[in-house]
Amino acid sequence: GQQVMQIPQYQHVQEGEDFTTYCNSSTTLSNIQWYKQRPGGHPVFLIQLVKSGEVKKQKRLTFQFGEAKKNSSLHITATQTTDVGTYFCAGEDSNYQLIWGAGTKLIIKP
Amino acid sequence: SAVISQKPSRDICQRGTSLTIQCQVDSQVTMMFWYRQQPGQSLTLIATANQGSEATYESGFVIDKFPISRPNLTFSTLTVSNMSPEDSSIYLCSGGLAGGTVINEQFFGPGTRLTVL
Repeated sequence: GQQVMQIPQYQHVQEGEDFTTYCNSSTTLSNIQWYKQRPGGHPVFLIQLVKSGEVKKQKRLTFQFGEAKKNSSLHITATQTTDVGTYFCAGEDSNYQLIWGAGTKLIIKP
Repeated sequence: SAVISQKPSRDICQRGTSLTIQCQVDSQVTMMFWYRQQPGQSLTLIATANQGSEATYESGFVIDKFPISRPNLTFSTLTVSNMSPEDSSIYLCSGGLAGGTVINEQFFGPGTRLTVL
């Protein structure tokens, strides 16, 4: 079945360093969404990418959607403690269901 | 946007019993979904709740174990039946619009943390 692979599983960074998580789908996606889940919280929508090659920015966050609409990335510049959490990508299939990546947990080293 | 509430927020249940989780959306949504999430893991879709008809279940989930109702566009219930310790998890309800040019984001409830003894 359709799968979305996400790496890495964890990333430890010093505050101020950059963070990147990558997603790769086995099939072409109609769109890809990114969510953030804080510890003990529920997933919260960050952004949706629809167009091939699309790049969107939200302050220190940069989201990219690959030309083939099979891969995506989220890059955070100069991480802050408020960025801590797990970042999930989710690809939408033809039934409007989301196929979730495994998530990347961002951990800020003290 | 939509605000989703769930109750109960948590429960501890004995094996063999059933628990019904309620999900209420403050505005009409096209789609409603039920997920299960183990701590530190990704979300697993249980089913899509369909208004006025039987839910659509994902592989590995069946109606007898997880009956779902959705009597209108803003309310749904999930029952976890004949529970065993393996059913201990966080159950999340989500809702969203679908199709066309709208942003198809899903809004999530706070989750129900279920522990089965």
